[in-house]
Amino acid sequence: GQQVMQIPQYQHVQEGEDFTTYCNSSTTLSNIQWYKQRPGGHPVFLIQLVKSGEVKKQKRLTFQFGEAKKNSSLHITATQTTDVGTYFCAGVGSNYKLTFGKGTLLTVNP
Amino acid sequence: DAGVIQSPRHEVTEMGQEVTLRCKPISGHDYLFWYRQTMMRGLELLIYFNNNVPIDDSGMPEDRFSAKMPNASFSTLKIQPSEPRDSAVYFCASSPGVNYGYTFGSGTRLTVV
Repeated sequence: GQQVMQIPQYQHVQEGEDFTTYCNSSTTLSNIQWYKQRPGGHPVFLIQLVKSGEVKKQKRLTFQFGEAKKNSSLHITATQTTDVGTYFCAGVGSNYKLTFGKGTLLTVNP
Repeated sequence: DAGVIQSPRHEVTEMGQEVTLRCKPISGHDYLFWYRQTMMRGLELLIYFNNNVPIDDSGMPEDRFSAKMPNASFSTLKIQPSEPRDSAVYFCASSPGVNYGYTFGSGTRLTVV
């Protein structure tokens, strides 16, 4: 079945440093979504990418969808302590099911 | 809108007991999903409904698990009998459609002892 791999598993940064997490699917995706889960919380939808090569920005967050629609990345510029949490990518395949990656846990040292 | 509402928030039960988790989706959302989250396996889709009809239950681990959606505003996930390996956080999520983001509830943390 569809698998979504995400790296790194953990990332610790100093406040102000940049952060990137990468997502790779075993199959071509119709779209990809990104979620953030704070410690002890629930996943919160951030954004959806649909088009090949699409790039979207939300303030300090930049999301990219690969040309082949099999990979994606999330980049955070100048991290803040409020960015702490686990970032998940989730891919929608031909079966319309959303498959989540294992997530990247980001910790920020103030 | 109050969002997706799940109950209870925490459940501690003894092995062999029946457990029922409840979910109220956002009004107007046609899709409802049940996910299970553990450290080892991450977020796993158990089952999803479209317009109250179960569409895909291939993620339901065993016959001990069952889910129902008797109407558009209520769904249950039942485990009978429960086992310690069922301990996890169970999330319910809803969505207006397949190409929309999901709204998750706060989850039910289940501990089976």
